[in-house]
Amino acid sequence: AQSVAQPEDQVNVAEGNPLTVKCTYSVSGNPYLFWYVQYPNRGLQFLLKYITGDNLVKGSYGFEAEFNKSQTSFHLKKPSALVSDSALYFCAVRDPGRRALTFGSGTRLQVQP
Amino acid sequence: GAVVSQHPSWVICKSGTSVKIECRSLDFQATTMFWYRQFPKQSLMLMATSNEGSKATYEQGVEKDKFLINHASLTLSTLTVTSAHPEDSSFYICSAFWDRVNEQFFGPGTRLTVL
Repeated sequence: AQSVAQPEDQVNVAEGNPLTVKCTYSVSGNPYLFWYVQYPNRGLQFLLKYITGDNLVKGSYGFEAEFNKSQTSFHLKKPSALVSDSALYFCAVRDPGRRALTFGSGTRLQVQP
Repeated sequence: GAVVSQHPSWVICKSGTSVKIECRSLDFQATTMFWYRQFPKQSLMLMATSNEGSKATYEQGVEKDKFLINHASLTLSTLTVTSAHPEDSSFYICSAFWDRVNEQFFGPGTRLTVL
């Protein structure tokens, strides 16, 4: 069975500072990994995904994530946080043989001005 | 491209009534759609997988008679919450799987409040 862990319920960072939102996964075989962002009372917006290739994936709004197979991690990063980045972030994994996503518990990012 | 809509975006109903939520893929065909439920400040929980032309596959613990799913066409899936009760109040999100790009796309969600 596939699973995703987001160990931090909330991450606080000052505007302009780098941010990291952590994600580890467990899946048989080579995983498909995703990051989504959710604003209040809204659906999920796709940020980026890793399927294969370069371990550093660049996505929307300046976000990037690094796939680390040995540590089974896919941490989301941004060099300089914006107040508007404050939202709920979800990591998700998909077994290549399936279509359904399994989501982590979510991490609330709070960027202080 | 790859837009998924949900209707209504929010609904308030009385306990005991049924509510239908529609999920449409606007610019692609989706043989598979997913329905998720999200409680406040919690993650998305997969409720069921909706397959065009066949019965939905429900996750463990989800009552199939309570949450009726119909996927009558390649662009439309509906979720009907039957005899709704206050504990059914939640945010329901659908997604549609686009085979051509091997990826699912999410709708904006429907906020259901049962009084």
